[in-house]
Amino acid sequence: AQSVTQLDSQVPVFEEAPVELRCNYSSSVSVYLFWYVQYPNQGLQLLLKYLSGSTLVKGINGFEAEFNKSQTSFHLRKPSVHISDTAEYFCAVSDRGYGGSQGNLIFGKGTKLSVKP
Amino acid sequence: DVKVTQSSRYLVKRTGEKVFLECVQDMDHENMFWYRQDPGLGLRLIYFSYDVKMKEKGDIPEGYSVSREKKERFSLILESASTNQTSMYLCASSRYRDITEAFFGQGTRLTVV
Repeated sequence: AQSVTQLDSQVPVFEEAPVELRCNYSSSVSVYLFWYVQYPNQGLQLLLKYLSGSTLVKGINGFEAEFNKSQTSFHLRKPSVHISDTAEYFCAVSDRGYGGSQGNLIFGKGTKLSVKP
Repeated sequence: DVKVTQSSRYLVKRTGEKVFLECVQDMDHENMFWYRQDPGLGLRLIYFSYDVKMKEKGDIPEGYSVSREKKERFSLILESASTNQTSMYLCASSRYRDITEAFFGQGTRLTVV
């Protein structure tokens, strides 16, 4: 079974500063990895995903993430944040449905990013 | 455009009532999911379905049931609502069993009084 750990529940940062939101996962099989964003009273929107290939993945709104297999991490980064990036961010992992079995999608507990002027 | 629609944004129900939360997707996706979201706990999987009339328990199925009579519709049922089921409920769908992306509805905030 997989699990996802988001290491910070809250991250305060000033506008235009860089930010990193940390995510570690555990799984006995290869996985797909995702970052979703949730604005207040909204559903989840996909920011980016890693399926295969290049370990550096670029997403919407200037975010990027790097898949590190040896450290089982998938940290999210942005070089310069805006007030509008204030939201909750969720890391998720899917076990790909190996052997014809049903894939599963497991989420971390979320990180609240608060961007201050 | 991909669309997952939850029938209500906000619901207030009384303890003991039978509650139906409806979710419809228009993308012919095989998989549909119901999650519950609570502060500090993230999203927890209640049930998922990978085909019509098929369902699998997630991590927290107690007190819930589901129905999938048609491919596009997945219903979450609270047989007898309790105050500890007050929460945000999120529906999602994905195209194949191999989940390369999931699409979410706007969520239903349920309050049980």
